[in-house]
Amino acid sequence: DAGVIQSPRHEVTEMGQEVTLRCKPISGHNSLFWYRQTMMRGLELLIYFNNNVPIDDSGMPEDRFSAKMPNASFSTLKIQPSEPRDSAVYFCASSSTPWTQHFGDGTRLSIL
Amino acid sequence: DAKTTQPPSMDCAEGRAANLPCNHSTISGNEYVYWYRQIHSQGPQYIIHGLKNNETNEMASLIITEDRKSSTLILPHATLRDTAVYYCIVRVALETSYDKVIFGPGTSLSVIP
Repeated sequence: DAGVIQSPRHEVTEMGQEVTLRCKPISGHNSLFWYRQTMMRGLELLIYFNNNVPIDDSGMPEDRFSAKMPNASFSTLKIQPSEPRDSAVYFCASSSTPWTQHFGDGTRLSIL
Repeated sequence: DAKTTQPPSMDCAEGRAANLPCNHSTISGNEYVYWYRQIHSQGPQYIIHGLKNNETNEMASLIITEDRKSSTLILPHATLRDTAVYYCIVRVALETSYDKVIFGPGTSLSVIP
């Protein structure tokens, strides 16, 4: 079975550009999570959805970040405009049970 | 959710059992203990969870003390592929699938040949 699929795997762009990260959750999973991981701050939860509806976006760092889930099989995390401090690995995870989340392999984002 | 305390790093010889401790002295009666691990350059991976009783699956065993204030994750025969950061998490297991999972710094386990 396919796991959580994230694209792109790597993204390098210049400061000020718009960045869009994509995630396809595991089919049948009704919850989706976006995380960010850096050496300084570790793994941080940004936002999560249930049945395509955002439940908690308190982890979103600022208005430059936005996330959408237009349907059960697709989600995006957008940064506009991007800044060097946004450089991190961004993970998407999906879940259908209370006890486990399935993570993708992440998108490594570098903002120059 | 209750907080957890883990050693920042540990070493284990290949083929030996790796015992990873976790303290959660303020755990509540309805909170479960979960373990995840993150191998370098990959996303975190669920390992096991438990409430009171010891648990075992194909990956590991989880031993929870009787007072539930601490637990130990046991990898019975560690291999080089078990080198990873291991996260101990305490949270309420709700009926829904969308409760937060808060990751701490974890324990970096190095399995040595």
